[in-house]
Amino acid sequence: RKEVEQDPGPFNVPEGATVAFNCTYSNSASQSFFWYRQDCRKEPKLLMSVYSSGNEDGRFTAQLNRASQYISLLIRDSKLSDSATYLCVVITRGGSYIPTFGRGTSLIVHP
Amino acid sequence: NAGVTQTPKFRVLKTGQSMTLLCAQDMNHEYMYWYRQDPGMGLRLIHYSVGEGTTAKGEVPDGYNVSRLKKQNFLLGLESAAPSQTSVYFCASSLILYEQYFGPGTRLTVT
Repeated sequence: RKEVEQDPGPFNVPEGATVAFNCTYSNSASQSFFWYRQDCRKEPKLLMSVYSSGNEDGRFTAQLNRASQYISLLIRDSKLSDSATYLCVVITRGGSYIPTFGRGTSLIVHP
Repeated sequence: NAGVTQTPKFRVLKTGQSMTLLCAQDMNHEYMYWYRQDPGMGLRLIHYSVGEGTTAKGEVPDGYNVSRLKKQNFLLGLESAAPSQTSVYFCASSLILYEQYFGPGTRLTVT
């Protein structure tokens, strides 16, 4: 089983739709969680950190479920500009604390 | 505050040539990383460093060497380039357990 798994998609949604992605992780000692956004041929950029209590930033909501070992990203009122690949990142306590990336979920928002 | 910078942005090499990619960060981060990203693939960790003077192998280290002589710089070397090393290379830096900041990438073609 991979350490961090994401559905690659693509998720194809109309403007204004609500879409949700999940990311599962295998190590219960995982400590820090993030969602990144990557546009085609560009560097990944931090979208939001994921806190135990959940957090919201405008149209984006991230949640952590430690019992089931997954994090989620909800995007409300999708915009054309939300089209990108969304990467899940997990850092596990112990060892060298190196981030582990999922392979990403592709989102396409169409008019 | 430039964040993470990478030089060069583009490079074309012939098989067997050598080159060095430079990554520099001005955020006083302890951790630095080199990734490669190929079409349809996620980010793959080549080498990383947890502090000045230290380096360690990542997921795909073969054919690459690295050095971290100064805290702010992380160099990636290709001693004898091969077509399989054609890729986009991203450098990143972070504090332990915190989010990573990425450079804009180096697009390398080996013919």
